[in-house]
Amino acid sequence: DIQMTQSPSSLSASVGDRVTITCRASQSISSYLNWYQQKPGKAPKLLIYAASSLQSGVPSRFSGSGSGTDFTLTISSLQPEDFATYYCQQSYSTLLFTFGPGTKVDIK
Amino acid sequence: EVQLVESGGGLVQPGRSLRLSCAASGFTFDDYAMHWVRQAPGKGLEWVSGISWNSGSIGYADSVKGRFTISRDNAKNSLYLQMNSLRAEDTALYYCAKVGGGVGPFDYWGQGTLVTVSS
Repeated sequence: DIQMTQSPSSLSASVGDRVTITCRASQSISSYLNWYQQKPGKAPKLLIYAASSLQSGVPSRFSGSGSGTDFTLTISSLQPEDFATYYCQQSYSTLLFTFGPGTKVDIK
Repeated sequence: EVQLVESGGGLVQPGRSLRLSCAASGFTFDDYAMHWVRQAPGKGLEWVSGISWNSGSIGYADSVKGRFTISRDNAKNSLYLQMNSLRAEDTALYYCAKVGGGVGPFDYWGQGTLVTVSS
């Protein structure tokens, strides 16, 4: 099975900061990598799919990059509503999807 | 508007069974694969199971294989998760999620139904 890791597990940042979260797969997953944002008490929300494609309605300050085993999610200028937990997910293995452990972004 | 509404959660004793349902609307249900994802209290997301549009392909996480069964009824626009031999570690909020297309991401999620396994 494909295992996903994320770093850091948590970070503190200020409004306006550039934030980068890394996700690594245990084997190559091409570009089958998605990013989700989850706020407390809410269902996850899709941000980025296929490693770098922005989901409709998601602000352009969010971007994704990478392929193979190493991926990044970047928030170019952190906004108050961006404080949340972020998860990567591989969709390479048909019907055997896995999530990363999550990265919590909180206010410095 | 796409809507996914889970139901069937509750308090159940270890070793017992529970069946979750997810009612879908606002899209052509039988065009898309569907999945169950769970989240234990204070923990991260765990993919549980997925099923293709025609039920021809099904997958399970190792943690539930042999105990849980996913199914769907395209005529009723519904997804199900039959959970047997429940354990304390199955306690979680269970979400159903719709695939965006192909082997794509989960573009819509329900609000979740809480399953608590405790004596």
